[in-house]
Amino acid sequence: GAVVSQHPSRVICKSGTSVKIECRSLDFQATTMFWYRQFPKQSLMLMATSNEGSKATYEQGVEKDKFLINHASLTLSTLTVTSAHPEDSSFYICSAARSFVAGNEQFFGPGTRLTVL
Amino acid sequence: RKEVEQDPGPFNVPEGATVAFNCTYSNSASQSFFWYRQDCRKEPKLLMSVYSSGNEDGRFTAQLNRASQYISLLIRDSKLSDSATYLCVVNDADSNYQLIWGAGTKLIIKP
Repeated sequence: GAVVSQHPSRVICKSGTSVKIECRSLDFQATTMFWYRQFPKQSLMLMATSNEGSKATYEQGVEKDKFLINHASLTLSTLTVTSAHPEDSSFYICSAARSFVAGNEQFFGPGTRLTVL
Repeated sequence: RKEVEQDPGPFNVPEGATVAFNCTYSNSASQSFFWYRQDCRKEPKLLMSVYSSGNEDGRFTAQLNRASQYISLLIRDSKLSDSATYLCVVNDADSNYQLIWGAGTKLIIKP
């Protein structure tokens, strides 16, 4: 159980286009979903925390108008990278948690590798 | 800024050897600790949670030292398949559900 899927797994786009990434919890309801970004040889950096039915909470330095997050249901969150630029090229990973319980395990999607030309 | 620090490695270890990683964290109020494994270009996968009393899962042993604020991971009888990056993760004590990630320690097991 506790499977999280992400789509697409890989995307290559031209500079200036927008890219939408979907994150789905397949067999459980995720109260909270998280979006991370990982640059080569670096650790995961939390971008934002998304709770179903409410606005996402963005980490300092993450532009909310550039990285649009929608968490419309307990099983789906989307991240849209608007007007993508080469510096947005990265590995984007989502995770989902069942609840706010302290230390609650997060289940990770397989990630989306974005390359902006 | 709260931090989790790890030696980035890489650790080059012969197959069958024992290898140990340490990780230090800065917020003494943190309550949950984890080791994740991440293979190249893949998502991280939970290896084990770390409990106050220490815990073991097969060849893997995790220990927590709250007084010194460090966590350790010991891998015995290392296998080639253990080659990966090991990430130390601590929950943000001020925000129960957020995780703070170490940069990871790269392990390379050589035949």
